[in-house]
Amino acid sequence: AQSVTQLDSQVPVFEEAPVELRCNYSSSVSVYLFWYVQYPNQGLQLLLKYLSGSTLVKGINGFEAEFNKSQTSFHLRKPSVHISDTAEYFCAASSSEDYKLSFGAGTTVTVRA
Amino acid sequence: GAVVSQHPSRVICKSGTSVKIECRSLDFQATTMFWYRQFPKQSLMLMATSNEGSKATYEQGVEKDKFLINHASLTLSTLTVTSAHPEDSSFYICSARVDLNTEAFFGQGTRLTVV
Repeated sequence: AQSVTQLDSQVPVFEEAPVELRCNYSSSVSVYLFWYVQYPNQGLQLLLKYLSGSTLVKGINGFEAEFNKSQTSFHLRKPSVHISDTAEYFCAASSSEDYKLSFGAGTTVTVRA
Repeated sequence: GAVVSQHPSRVICKSGTSVKIECRSLDFQATTMFWYRQFPKQSLMLMATSNEGSKATYEQGVEKDKFLINHASLTLSTLTVTSAHPEDSSFYICSARVDLNTEAFFGQGTRLTVV
């Protein structure tokens, strides 16, 4: 099974500043990678996904992530955050042969004016 | 994208009673669904994999007699928390994937409070 590590548990950031959330995964086999966002008392919403192809993935709400196979990383970035980006962010991974997702511990992003 | 609907969104029950949570895939058939539990400020913990027409596969440490899972059709999985106790209070989330080449779609979650 995949192991996913999110290196930052909390990221405070000012409005309109850039943000980067770090994610590393463990397996060297073919891997699918995802970033999800969770607002309080809600399920998870997909921000973006990497299945194959271009290593730079663009998602919703201005987010993007880069798949780096040599560093086994899939960091999430946004050049300018809004107050509404305050939420919990989860990195997840699965192998190409398994329906199961492995989740990181999550990163709490708090955007301040 | 595909839609997974979970019901109820909130439930309060008395200690010792049972609670059923439903998870439906609205516009696709899901042979496999997943049930997660999430404690405050923590990640999702996979409880079990729900397989249509067969027994669920439980993760280590999850009591199968406590958390009953039924996946009777390709669009519905249910989780029943039996003889609930206050320590079962948590946020429960279900998910499903259309196939291996797509992301998982999540229900809205159910906040269970046992009093």
